[in-house]
Amino acid sequence: DQQVKQNSPSLSVQEGRISILNCDYTNSMFDYFLWYKKYPAEGPTFLISISSIKDKNEDGRFTVFLNKSAKHLSLHIVPSQPGDSAVYFCAAGLRAGANNLFFGTGTRLTVIP
Amino acid sequence: DAGITQSPRHKVTETGTPVTLRCHQTENHRYMYWYRQDPGHGLRLIHYSYGVKDTDKGEVSDGYSVSRSKTEDFLLTLESATSSQTSVYFCAISGTALTGELFFGEGSRLTVL
Repeated sequence: DQQVKQNSPSLSVQEGRISILNCDYTNSMFDYFLWYKKYPAEGPTFLISISSIKDKNEDGRFTVFLNKSAKHLSLHIVPSQPGDSAVYFCAAGLRAGANNLFFGTGTRLTVIP
Repeated sequence: DAGITQSPRHKVTETGTPVTLRCHQTENHRYMYWYRQDPGHGLRLIHYSYGVKDTDKGEVSDGYSVSRSKTEDFLLTLESATSSQTSVYFCAISGTALTGELFFGEGSRLTVL
């Protein structure tokens, strides 16, 4: 059973607008959550993370929000740029788990110029 | 970029043949991982290593074995490949088990006919 879910396989956004990618999880014991970005024919690259003790983390155009009561995570990209077009994976892990991450199925973001 | 290379990058093989994928790192990181990526499943952990000769199973370890005789090399072996093992395989490394931040290789695409 998938512990981390991304229910939207794809998302299209106009350049300059906000992109919101969503993720839900089932295990309330997760210690940290991350977003990875993946371009075709490349490995995923780390984008941003958040600890379970926080509800928001911001890094430039990227902000991750965590709602623990709803077991919901979201990534906001503002403003969206064509270079942001990629597949985004959310992931969750436990500190006692040697970085054994549980990944969602990914959301393909297309930013339209 | 983290120094991590995977070989081969592409391989086509027949059912029943053994296959070994190699992951080589130059970062001297303690933790190494093998993931597979499949449509509808995201990234799933196969095996991981937390030191030389120290390995453990992940979520989808059946049909796979690993070995780590040196810090820099982590081998993934399919003893007898099956069509269900057709996938893209990613190696990842990390220097710490506390953050979930992994550095991924570029992937190895395996096709089992």
